[in-house]
Amino acid sequence: GAVVSQHPSRVICKSGTSVKIECRSLDFQATTMFWYRQFPKQSLMLMATSNEGSKATYEQGVEKDKFLINHASLTLSTLTVTSAHPEDSSFYICSASRLPSYEQYFGPGTRLTVT
Amino acid sequence: QQQVKQSPQSLIVQKGGISIINCAYENTAFDYFPWYQQFPGKGPALLIAIRPDVSEKKEGRFTISFNKSAKQFSLHIMDSQPGDSATYFCAASIGGTASKLTFGTGTRLQVML
Repeated sequence: GAVVSQHPSRVICKSGTSVKIECRSLDFQATTMFWYRQFPKQSLMLMATSNEGSKATYEQGVEKDKFLINHASLTLSTLTVTSAHPEDSSFYICSASRLPSYEQYFGPGTRLTVT
Repeated sequence: QQQVKQSPQSLIVQKGGISIINCAYENTAFDYFPWYQQFPGKGPALLIAIRPDVSEKKEGRFTISFNKSAKQFSLHIMDSQPGDSATYFCAASIGGTASKLTFGTGTRLQVML
């Protein structure tokens, strides 16, 4: 149990376009989902915390108008990178937390390349 | 105060040896300490986790040792195997379910044949 999926696994888009990444908890309900960004050979950087039915909480320095997060159901959260630029190229990873435990279960990640 | 310091940055161990990765924290409010394993191009996978009310937790070849007074915790991988070659992250969080994790900087482990 505790499987989290992400779609797509890899996406290439042109500069100025928007791209949506989906995060799904497949076999459990996740009241809270997290979105991370990871640069090559670096640690995970938390971007935002997403609670079902409410607005996401963004970490300091993360542009909420650029990285739109929606958590419409207990099994789905989406991250939309708007007006993407090459510097937004990165590995984006989501995680989901399953009540009542502390554990976070991570998705397989999405590699975004902006050309 | 929210940082978690991890060392070493990289580690090479012979097959069958013990891999040891250390983490230290400052914030005494942290009450959950997980370790994650990440393979290239994949998301992190939860390996093992500990709460501060115990000093050690063992699951198979993986053991967490926790020293509350020193504010340190470590991961020991016994009988290390080439398949253990990956990046390992320690993390910490505060205050219960679904709290955000503060990650260490990661350790790249390579287990040689």
